[in-house]
Amino acid sequence: DTGVSQNPRHKITKRGQNVTFRCDPISEHNRLYWYRQTLGQGPEFLTYFQNEAQLEKSRLLSDRFSAERPKGSFSTLEIQRTEQGDSAMYLCASRTGNTEAFFGQGTRLTVV
Amino acid sequence: GEDVEQSLFLSVREGDSSVINCTYTDSSSTYLYWYKQEPGAGLQLLTYIFSNMDMKQDQRLTVLLNKKDKHLSLRIADTQTGDSAIYFCAVLVIGAGSYQLTFGKGTKLSVIP
Repeated sequence: DTGVSQNPRHKITKRGQNVTFRCDPISEHNRLYWYRQTLGQGPEFLTYFQNEAQLEKSRLLSDRFSAERPKGSFSTLEIQRTEQGDSAMYLCASRTGNTEAFFGQGTRLTVV
Repeated sequence: GEDVEQSLFLSVREGDSSVINCTYTDSSSTYLYWYKQEPGAGLQLLTYIFSNMDMKQDQRLTVLLNKKDKHLSLRIADTQTGDSAIYFCAVLVIGAGSYQLTFGKGTKLSVIP
């Protein structure tokens, strides 16, 4: 296992379209995070899973955003009816127990 | 909620030491992390420290934690041009239903040859 994997690396979409991103965490990691990072800012927390349970959601996660982790392994983040303000880097991280959190390379979304 | 603050810019000469500072607000923070981000790339974990530690050293990196003042620092010895990047401080708080890893806005380190 080479680390947290995110796909796609880049996504360009037209405003109003739906997009879905995938995150494959490190295999033994049961905790998974999604973050959003805009230019010049630090990553902002979106949501957290422990196994398949979504335990925490940020107020940044509007009803157009939904995240799943159906079998407690990979996770998907879907954005419906994308807006230009959704353009950002979407980062996924995983960890196990009380250990360091490892991040993937991110998916850069551009909404045109 | 947790608030993490960092200065935005730091400029040092190659070969000097760099010290990047971070302050946080939640005293129940458990793990404190330093990440490095190069342009267009994801976050690379550099090091972390558990809240019951005062110091951790890993090759050129030294992390100091002052829990009383809620102050964390990262010292990079013998700074090289390859160290130029944005450095993020992040704090993990576990409790009251929260599991968030909260980040500062990042410190841009520029290394002058």
